[in-house]
Amino acid sequence: DARVTQTPRHKVTEMGQEVTMRCQPILGHNTVFWYRQTMMQGLELLAYFRNRAPLDDSGMPKDRFSAEMPDATLATLKIQPSEPRDSAVYFCASGPLESVYTDTQYFGPGTRLTVL
Amino acid sequence: SQKIEQNSEALNIQEGKTATLTCNYTNYSPAYLQWYRQDPGRGPVFLLLIRENEKEKRKERLKVTFDTTLKQSLFHITASQPADSATYLCALERNAGNMLTFGGGTRLMVKP
Repeated sequence: DARVTQTPRHKVTEMGQEVTMRCQPILGHNTVFWYRQTMMQGLELLAYFRNRAPLDDSGMPKDRFSAEMPDATLATLKIQPSEPRDSAVYFCASGPLESVYTDTQYFGPGTRLTVL
Repeated sequence: SQKIEQNSEALNIQEGKTATLTCNYTNYSPAYLQWYRQDPGRGPVFLLLIRENEKEKRKERLKVTFDTTLKQSLFHITASQPADSATYLCALERNAGNMLTFGGGTRLMVKP
């Protein structure tokens, strides 16, 4: 049963610290998404990769957030420096690029980030 | 920009009844729309996709309709069960690509 995995599942850090979240997409999937979910804003798209190339990161605060895919099995989301307003659940999702009309996304369990 | 509205108030229904959730959108004509289920502490799980040229899609006890004139999708769960209790999110395709914009979700509570 193929699944998207994310580490860590929980992270508590202090303001100003660097935070790195990791995601292993489902093998064979070539689209990867990073989302942030909060009670106030809901689920927001931060970044989108296709075949490891970043296609859209317009939802991501550029000054402190960065997203990369060093290889097909690893996607990272980094926050430096972190701020209390970054506290949220961060989800990674992957999908098979079959057709723009059939794509679905498979979500990981999320990383719950708390910045004190 | 795209705006998606789902009833933010929880929907409480009795077991065995049909639950109907609404998703309204403005400022866009998506090629398709998806519905996801999210349980507390977990990531969303894909349920159904309906394309703009489809009026209705069914999967077991689930039914989705898509009215592009009204800019509305309805999500029905027939013969609801307590296990159906969760938050349901609608998501619209955007920018003619693979990206989705999600609604805020509606929490469904099915009471035995």
